[in-house]
Amino acid sequence: EIVLTQSPDFQSVTPKEKVTITCRASQSIGSSLHWYQQKPDQSPKLLIKYASQSISGVPSRFSGSGSGTDFTLTINSLEAEDAAAYYCHQSSSLPWTFGQGTKVEIK
Amino acid sequence: EVQLVESGGGLVQPGGSLRLSCAASGFTFSSYWMSWVRQAPGKGLEWVANIKQDGSEKYYVDSVKGRFTISRDNAKNSLYLQMNSLRAEDTAVYYCARSWYSYAYWDYWGQGTLVTVSS
Repeated sequence: EIVLTQSPDFQSVTPKEKVTITCRASQSIGSSLHWYQQKPDQSPKLLIKYASQSISGVPSRFSGSGSGTDFTLTINSLEAEDAAAYYCHQSSSLPWTFGQGTKVEIK
Repeated sequence: EVQLVESGGGLVQPGGSLRLSCAASGFTFSSYWMSWVRQAPGKGLEWVANIKQDGSEKYYVDSVKGRFTISRDNAKNSLYLQMNSLRAEDTAVYYCARSWYSYAYWDYWGQGTLVTVSS
């Protein structure tokens, strides 16, 4: 099973700051890494697919990078509405797995 | 508009059974892989099972193998999860989600249905 480890677990950020969340895979997964945002009491929402590909309707301040074992989700100029938990997910090999999540709080 | 609506959750005793349903609309259901993903209260996400467009391939996380069965009815645009021998650790919100391919991301998710396993 591929283990995904996110860091940090929690981040408290002021609006307009830049946020960087990392996701490390226990073995190489190529670019089969996706990012989701989950706001309180809502279902997850796809933010980035295949490590760096943007999703229609997702604000351009969200971007992704990386390949192999190390990946990054960047939120440029954080907005209040970005308060949420963020999860990475690998679709390289079964079982599909998620990172433990990173909670972003707005100061 | 793509919609996935789960139902069937509730309170069940350990060892009991429950059948979840997911009604799909707004897209060609038979063209997509479908999955169940769960989230225990206050915890992260865990993939549970997925099924190919025609139902010919099914995959499960080890912790539910032999207890849960995923199925679909393309004529009714519906996905199901039969859950038997339920345990306290199966307590979670269960989401259905779609992907165009098994080795892919989930682009739409339902709102979830809560399953509570407790005596």
